[in-house]
Amino acid sequence: GDSVTQMEGPVTLSEEAFLTINCTYTATGYPSLFWYVQYPGEGLQLLLKATKADDKGSNKGFEATYRKETTSFHLEKGSVQVSDSAVYFCAAHNAGNNRKLIWGLGTSLAVNP
Amino acid sequence: EAEVAQSPRYKITEKSQAVAFWCDPISGHATLYWYRQILGQGPELLVQFQDESVVDDSQLPKDRFSAERLKGVDSTLKIQPAELGDSAMYLCASSSGGTGGTYEQYFGPGTRLTVT
Repeated sequence: GDSVTQMEGPVTLSEEAFLTINCTYTATGYPSLFWYVQYPGEGLQLLLKATKADDKGSNKGFEATYRKETTSFHLEKGSVQVSDSAVYFCAAHNAGNNRKLIWGLGTSLAVNP
Repeated sequence: EAEVAQSPRYKITEKSQAVAFWCDPISGHATLYWYRQILGQGPELLVQFQDESVVDDSQLPKDRFSAERLKGVDSTLKIQPAELGDSAMYLCASSSGGTGGTYEQYFGPGTRLTVT
């Protein structure tokens, strides 16, 4: 069945460092791909999305490009801030999944000043 | 900006008691989801509604959990009786199908349940 694999955390960075969180998917066809962010004690927020190959989603300085060749959707940010400390989830939706998202396990990010 | 509303935000209950959570999705969103999230883990889908109909409740522990969405708008998730292992964050999300049918989900702030 469809699956999403994220790099394990926790990831610890200093402020202004470059961030990459890897995400790969296994699916038939071409799913829509999402990154969600969860701040401590809160619900999940949609961070960015991409719906087809080579699409780039971007928001709040974060970017991710849908790579069909490598079935990947890695999250990147050029300069992280302390306020970016959160858990990041990669997710995929495939047309055959009846509106359900397939979730990665999440990657915890801690940014130190 | 439209948001998914949930209440209460926090709930402490004793085991064997009944507890209920409420969710009001974004207006016009036909699909509503209830998730359970244990601390340090990803969200686990409990039940999915399309309008007032249950589409998927395969992971819902039906001996103690129930969910309804009577008029296809707001929804209630109930646990009776609560057990210690039910302590978790309960998240509600809604979806309209998105632009071009991408089905992104929008989440409420969640209800943190502690069973003592």
